Amino acid sequence: SQQGEEDPQALSIQEGENATMNCSYKTSINNLQWYRQNSGRGLVHLILIRSNEREKHSGRLRVTLDTSKKSSSLLITASRAADTASYFCATDARGFGNEKLTFGTGTRLTIIP
Amino acid sequence: ETGVTQTPRHLVMGMTNKKSLKCEQHLGHNAMYWYKQSAKKPLELMFVYNFKEQTENNSVPSRFSPECPNSSHLFLHLHTLQPEDSALYLCASSQELDRGNQPQHFGDGTRLSIL
Repeated sequence: SQQGEEDPQALSIQEGENATMNCSYKTSINNLQWYRQNSGRGLVHLILIRSNEREKHSGRLRVTLDTSKKSSSLLITASRAADTASYFCATDARGFGNEKLTFGTGTRLTIIP
Repeated sequence: ETGVTQTPRHLVMGMTNKKSLKCEQHLGHNAMYWYKQSAKKPLELMFVYNFKEQTENNSVPSRFSPECPNSSHLFLHLHTLQPEDSALYLCASSQELDRGNQPQHFGDGTRLSIL
């Protein structure tokens, strides 16, 4: 069954505002990753956060992880038109190596200039 | 430039045709993957190769036949496809096979349309 689910499915904000996307998952994980996909392109890795980490930053991106709630959030600050894309979370189920990376259906983010 | 190149970018084929998708990675990675991306669905993992040996086949119909001649190249041979096979096919690679603790690098995909 699907491991990660993003929320909302679609989000439109004005340029300069902050964008927050959420990911919920069902089973315990070792790691959670966020990816971006621009229209007509492949996925690009953004951030990886481990189960023992609570927060991670990369430039304008901030990812949080709450393992007790089985959820993660991706915050993009000071959004730009170039941030328009779909954003996916991907999780691995905790196990004994070679865990399968399972992707959600994504959040479609539109930045309005 | 992600270091993973897929060709062709677009492919239209009839249900009785035979075609192949190609993926090449220039990153020195050991693991390569084929994914299928359909509208409104999560990314579906199809095949996994590690050091050019297939390690996973996720119940993919036999009309899809992968080939991995070396760690840098991956092919997906297509034969007698169905309209529901129309999708974006993505190739990815990672340094090692443990997929959770390292990023995957994706190509830009082949947009496949079955007539």
